[in-house]
Amino acid sequence: KAGVTQTPRYLIKTRGQQVTLSCSPISGHRSVSWYQQTPGQGLQFLFEYFSETQRNKGNFPGRFSGRQFSNSRSEMNVSTLELGDSALYLCASSLGSAESTDTQYFGPGTRLTVL
Amino acid sequence: DQQVKQNSPSLSVQEGRISILNCDYTNSMFDYFLWYKKYPAEGPTFLISISSIKDKNEDGRFTVFLNKSAKHLSLHIVPSQPGDSAVYFCAAPRGGGSQGNLIFGKGTKLSVKP
Repeated sequence: KAGVTQTPRYLIKTRGQQVTLSCSPISGHRSVSWYQQTPGQGLQFLFEYFSETQRNKGNFPGRFSGRQFSNSRSEMNVSTLELGDSALYLCASSLGSAESTDTQYFGPGTRLTVL
Repeated sequence: DQQVKQNSPSLSVQEGRISILNCDYTNSMFDYFLWYKKYPAEGPTFLISISSIKDKNEDGRFTVFLNKSAKHLSLHIVPSQPGDSAVYFCAAPRGGGSQGNLIFGKGTKLSVKP
């Protein structure tokens, strides 16, 4: 079974631009979560989508948004980029049950650099 | 508000010895805990988990211990191997529910020296 894939793997943008990142979950997985990893803050939860609906949301500004398509693929968008948005953005998928034992599997991440 | 804390940013261990990675949490509502391993340029990989109804879970060389009264868990790797060198994250599902919303510690970088 193919793992979680993320595209692109690397991205360089300038301040003020916007960016869209893509995540394809493991086949059969209906939940997709996004995380931001920075050296100072570690791994922080952005949001989770399940069946095309946002199920959970972290404490990030409205410039960060996402969506999920009917095939469970998800996109994350960041508008008006700031230098502090430079980070590794990780996507994780799971079956999406409400059980805490439903393991999340992570993709390799997209490394975003904002200049 | 850091609800999951890993106070040791790094740990160095000799090959064949035991590695002990520690994690503390503040929220007594957490009922499930996970450990992830992360190599550079890769996403985190699930390693082992433990439910709050247990105090120990073992999987091969990896054992996780949970002390609920102290709000502390630890990951033991025996024997440690050079391939175990990675960053280890402790995590818990927020609100005690699905893993779709995990709170992570800041990680401990383990170096296993041959």
